[in-house]
Amino acid sequence: DGGITQSPKYLFRKEGQNVTLSCEQNLNHDAMYWYRQDPGQGLRLIYYSQIVNDFQKGDIAEGYSVSREKKESFPLTVTSAQKNPTAFYLCASSGRMDQAEQFFGPGTRLTVL
Amino acid sequence: SQQGEEDPQALSIQEGENATMNCSYKTSINNLQWYRQNSGRGLVHLILIRSNEREKHSGRLRVTLDTSKKSSSLLITASRAADTASYFCATAGSSILTGGGNKLTFGTGTQLKVEL
Repeated sequence: DGGITQSPKYLFRKEGQNVTLSCEQNLNHDAMYWYRQDPGQGLRLIYYSQIVNDFQKGDIAEGYSVSREKKESFPLTVTSAQKNPTAFYLCASSGRMDQAEQFFGPGTRLTVL
Repeated sequence: SQQGEEDPQALSIQEGENATMNCSYKTSINNLQWYRQNSGRGLVHLILIRSNEREKHSGRLRVTLDTSKKSSSLLITASRAADTASYFCATAGSSILTGGGNKLTFGTGTQLKVEL
C-alpha cells in the first residue's frame, strides 16, 4: 500500500535532549512537509522540502532541523533549543503543482518530561 | 501565520441534518482545500477548489468559494455519526513554488459532532 509512515507514534523525551522523528513515503512525491499541531489549534508549517537535498524554513523553524538525503525520507530533529516542544507532529507529502493535495502521515505525539 | 479562520469553532448537530462550516482568509490564493482530522490522527484531504472556480461537489460535500469576500464554505449534507471530526481549510498562495508542492496555510478548524 502506498502512503506515509511516521514513527514512533508516541515519544517521550527529557528536557535538554534532541530527538528525531521519522517520516517515510512511498508515493514517489517530490515535496514533503513537517507541521506542528497544538491542542485545539490548526497546523503550523515547520519546514518543507520540494526536492532532494533542498529544504526551506516554514513559519516556526526555530529549534528544529531537517534533512532530505533521499526522496522517500524527511526526518525532523527537535533540538534542545526548541522552548516548547510538546506537541503533535505531522508529516505530509505532495506531488507536482497540478497535484496539490497533501497526504498526511498518522502523526507523532511528543511529550517533554 | 494562520491564514484561515473557520467559523464556527464547534458545531453539534443531529444525524441526518446538514452541517455548514465557513472559512475566511486574508491574502490572494491559488486554491483552497478542505481537510478532515479524526481525533489524534493525520489529516485526510476532502476537496480542492481553485481560485477561478465558484462551487464544487464531491459526494455529500459541497464547497463554495467567493474570492471577492475571501471566504469559502463547506456543506456536508445528510450528516452521519462517522462525520464527527475536525475540519480545516487550507489555502495555497498565489505565488507558485518553483519545483514541486504547495505551501499551505491552515486555519484553526471547526470541531463537528454528529449525534445519533
